[in-house]
Amino acid sequence: EAGVTQFPSHSVIEKGQTVTLRCDPISGHDNLYWYRRVMGKEIKFLLHFVKESKQDESGMPNNRFLAERTGGTYSTLKVQPAELEDSGVYFCASSPLFLARGTEAFFGQGTRLTVV
Amino acid sequence: SQQGEEDPQALSIQEGENATMNCSYKTSINNLQWYRQNSGRGLVHLILIRSNEREKHSGRLRVTLDTSKKSSSLLITASRAADTASYFCATAGSNDYKLSFGAGTTVTVRA
Repeated sequence: EAGVTQFPSHSVIEKGQTVTLRCDPISGHDNLYWYRRVMGKEIKFLLHFVKESKQDESGMPNNRFLAERTGGTYSTLKVQPAELEDSGVYFCASSPLFLARGTEAFFGQGTRLTVV
Repeated sequence: SQQGEEDPQALSIQEGENATMNCSYKTSINNLQWYRQNSGRGLVHLILIRSNEREKHSGRLRVTLDTSKKSSSLLITASRAADTASYFCATAGSNDYKLSFGAGTTVTVRA
């Protein structure tokens, strides 16, 4: 069974440009999460989808970030326009049930975004 | 704000020694999970302990949970070079659908 896959693995863009990250969750997992880790700091929650609906987007830093999950399958996270402080590793995770019900989250390998 | 905080931030041990790291959290939880991240890789789930459990084992891993102190510990016994990684605790709240992570403990196992 394929795990969570993220694309690209690395992206270097200039300040002001647009970048779109993609996440393919494990097939059948309704729950999809985006997280971000900035340089050695804690892993911060960005948002949570249940199927195609945004369950919780309280962690999205500002309106330069837009996440979608059309059809409840793969998800994209677009940053437009990118700023220097957006640099970090963006992780996607999926789970079959809500995490509070005692299930683990399956993570992708992350996308390392560098804004120069 | 950050829910879980790991301590220490970094740990260096000799191969064969045990490694212990701690996690403290702030609000009530449904379960607590530990994850490992090897350099450049994604997070890998290690172990999950529920709020009504006090101790759990998985191979060379031992996790304890003290809900009265809002703390957990992860013990890795007989460490190996392959255990070199960052370790994160993550909590799932009772009314929460997400995991809240700390900044992690970086463990280096010297050969």
